[in-house]
Amino acid sequence: EAGVAQSPRYKIIEKRQSVAFWCNPISGHATLYWYQQILGQGPKLLIQFQNNGVVDDSQLPKDRFSAERLKGVDSTLKIQPAKLEDSAVYLCASSATDSNQPQHFGDGTRLSIL
Amino acid sequence: SQQGEEDPQALSIQEGENATMNCSYKTSINNLQWYRQNSGRGLVHLILIRSNEREKHSGRLRVTLDTSKKSSSLLITASRAADTASYFCATDGAMYSSASKIIFGSGTRLSIRP
Repeated sequence: EAGVAQSPRYKIIEKRQSVAFWCNPISGHATLYWYQQILGQGPKLLIQFQNNGVVDDSQLPKDRFSAERLKGVDSTLKIQPAKLEDSAVYLCASSATDSNQPQHFGDGTRLSIL
Repeated sequence: SQQGEEDPQALSIQEGENATMNCSYKTSINNLQWYRQNSGRGLVHLILIRSNEREKHSGRLRVTLDTSKKSSSLLITASRAADTASYFCATDGAMYSSASKIIFGSGTRLSIRP
C-alpha cells in the first residue's frame, strides 16, 4: 500500500510570511495527525482528526496555525504569520481507526524561517 | 511538559550486543508505542503494547510495560548497523485540558559500532 505522502519536502520562508503543508494519508485511514518536531526533540502533536472532525487540538497555537481535513481525506496545515520559533519538521501521520492503532508517518516537511 | 521520557538520551554499543532503552511516563495510559526514526525520515512503528499487557515480542524486539511503575523498556537483541536510529516512546492516555492525549518522549539516539 502507498504510504503517507507529504509536500513540500522543504520550505524556506521569511518570518511573518505564510506557509501551507499538504498531507495525503494512507487510503481508508480514518485518523490523521499533524506533529511538530523541533531538532533534537520528540514529535509534539498539533492536531488529530477523526475523519473530518477534530479530536485533539489542545497544543495547536490557534492564533497562527490552522488545519483542515476536507472530506475526511487530505489535510492541509497552515501557519500565518510564521515566527522564527516555527522552524521545525512538520510530520503527518495516519492510523486505520483511532489512536489505539499504529501510526504511519510521512517523511515530513522541513520548514526554515529566516 | 512531555509525558514520556526516554533513558538514556544516547547509547553507543558494539554490533551484536543488546540495547535496552527505557521510557517513563506520568499518568494513566491506554497504550504505549515505540517508534524508530532514521535521520531525515519519518517515524516507523515498532510495537504497540496495551495497558493490560505486560510484554510483547516482535522479531529481535522485546517490549515490557509496568503500569505500577509507569515505565516501559525496549530491548533490541543482537544489534545490527541498520539499527542505528533514534527511538521514541509514545503514550496514548487520558485527555487533559492542558496536554495532548498523545505524547512522545524526547528519544534515545542509538549508535551501533561495527
